[in-house]
Formats: sequence, structure tokens, C-alpha cells
Amino acid sequence: AQSVAQPEDQVNVAEGNPLTVKCTYSVSGNPYLFWYVQYPNRGLQFLLKYITGDNLVKGSYGFEAEFNKSQTSFHLKKPSALVSDSALYFCAVRASGYSTLTFGKGTMLLVSP
Amino acid sequence: DTGVSQDPRHKITKRGQNVTFRCDPISEHNRLYWYRQTLGQGPEFLTYFQNEAQLEKSRLLSDRFSAERPKGSFSTLEIQRTEQGDSAMYLCASSSSRTGIADTQYFGPGTRLTVL
Repeated sequence: AQSVAQPEDQVNVAEGNPLTVKCTYSVSGNPYLFWYVQYPNRGLQFLLKYITGDNLVKGSYGFEAEFNKSQTSFHLKKPSALVSDSALYFCAVRASGYSTLTFGKGTMLLVSP
Repeated sequence: DTGVSQDPRHKITKRGQNVTFRCDPISEHNRLYWYRQTLGQGPEFLTYFQNEAQLEKSRLLSDRFSAERPKGSFSTLEIQRTEQGDSAMYLCASSSSRTGIADTQYFGPGTRLTVL
């Protein structure tokens, strides 16, 4: 079985400050890890994914994520937050050899002006 | 590509009625997925097609739920005898196995179902 934990329901950050949204996972075998963002009444938009190789993955809109195998974590980061980054962020995992994603409960990011 | 589209965007129905949702994947994507999302939760996997074959179904998918992808293009999800617990956002996603391992799933805007 595979699972994802997003320990924070909400993260608050001031515009211009760095942000981190945390994610830990559990999966058998090698993980494929994803971050998606959801704006109100919209579907999920893909941000970035980790498959293999460099532990630091860069994605859309200036976001990046760091894969840490020993801590089974895949935290989402951005050096300088924008008010427009305010949204619901989901981490997801997929075990190699499988096709379906398992999502965390999501973390609401609120960036204040 | 025009993205994944879903129809309708909103559906209000009375308990006991049947509803059907449609999903049009990104053209040439051979994989199609259905997920359900309730308030405060992440999407939960329901079922998955590769071309026209339904390869996996979640235990969440009761006998009242059926999905088809008759020609390997669009898909329909039908819920029979709806219950209030079926109220949720139903999300469709598509991907291409030809992009290699860990193909990315792209999501549609969802169909919000309200069962009264």
C-alpha cells in the first residue's frame, strides 16, 4: 500500500518570503512523486515530478521540490512567494510498476501581501 | 492540445436518480483515470483505462458505479441510484504511456455532483 502525509493543513507566508510545503510518503519500491496545485473550483494543475536522478526538481512557476530518500520526504519550495501562489497544494505518490496516484489531503497555502 | 474536458461541470440530482458524466482526454492520450474528491480531501482513485480496456478499479467503486471507454477516446462514468454520499467532485485525468515511465496525469476541471 502507498500513502502520503501532508502534516500541515495550512501554511501562511508573507509575500517575498521563502515557502515550504511538507510532504512525506510511504511506498514499496522506488517512488514517483508529484506536486499538483488546485485553484478554487478548478481541476488540478501539474507542477513537477521526481522520477530518478537529481534530488532537486524544478517545475512550473518557480517551484522546486527536494527528494530525500532517507527521510521519505518530498517538500515543495519556492524562494520568494507571490500572493498569486495562494492555493491548495497536493502531493502524490505512485509506486513504480503501478499507474494510479495516491494523494495527500492537501495543504492550503496563503500568501499575504 | 486543448486539455482534458469534462461535461457537465455541475450536476444537481435527487437521491435515487441515475447520472452520467463524460470526459474527453487530451488527444492521443491512451490512459484515462477517474478520481473522486470530497471536501477537505485529496482525490481518491476510482478506475483506470488503457485504451478501451478497464485495467483497474478501486474498492471504492461500488456496483452502482460503472465506467466505459468504448473506442479508447472519451469515457463515461455512470452512477445509478445516487445517494447523498455520492456528492463530490469527480475528476478525470489522462496521460500517455508513450512518454516513458512515470507519465504525468493531466486533470480536467471536474464535475461537481450534488445529491439532494
